[in-house]
Amino acid sequence: EAGVAQSPRYKIIEKRQSVAFWCNPISGHATLYWYQQILGQGPKLLIQFQNNGVVDDSQLPKDRFSAERLKGVDSTLKIQPAKLEDSAVYLCASSYPQGTQYFGPGTRLLVL
Amino acid sequence: AQTVTQSQPEMSVQEAETVTLSCTYDTSESDYYLFWYKQPPSRQMILVIRQEAYKQQNATENRFSVNFQKAAKSFSLKISDSQLGDAAMYFCARISGGYQKVTFGTGTKLQVIP
Repeated sequence: EAGVAQSPRYKIIEKRQSVAFWCNPISGHATLYWYQQILGQGPKLLIQFQNNGVVDDSQLPKDRFSAERLKGVDSTLKIQPAKLEDSAVYLCASSYPQGTQYFGPGTRLLVL
Repeated sequence: AQTVTQSQPEMSVQEAETVTLSCTYDTSESDYYLFWYKQPPSRQMILVIRQEAYKQQNATENRFSVNFQKAAKSFSLKISDSQLGDAAMYFCARISGGYQKVTFGTGTKLQVIP
């Protein structure tokens, strides 16, 4: 079974630029999560999708972050414009309802 | 706020010895699931063990076992016969509610001493 795929693996941008991350969940997983993990900290949930719908985006900085999940499968997370404090690893995970989350390898973002 | 607390930022254990990582949580839900995840320095998060709240029996997975105390809202992870490859960050997590809302703890960094 293929795991959760994420791209790119690494990204370096300058502040005020835009960036987008892509996630392809495990086939059949209805729930998709995006996390931000700053070095030395635990994952912070940014947004959770159940199929196409948003279940929880209470910690998503909506003035600069946006996310969508097309047709209940792939998802993109966008930051526009980026700030220095957005430097982090962005993790995508997916699961069946009430199931275990499986994580992708993450995208490491550095904002200069 | 429904929180997950890991009170040990760092732990160390001698190789082949046993170590227990602590986790407490808060929830108003009756239906929830608890997890321990491992994150090695490469940063890929890997499931270690899972516990359903409705099950009284503690989950075990080879050298990993949990002590689930539902009334005390405690969920500790015991690693037996520690190996060098066990060195990693360990995160406790809870999923609860109809929409499976997730909360992670702040993590415990485990060092294994040869």
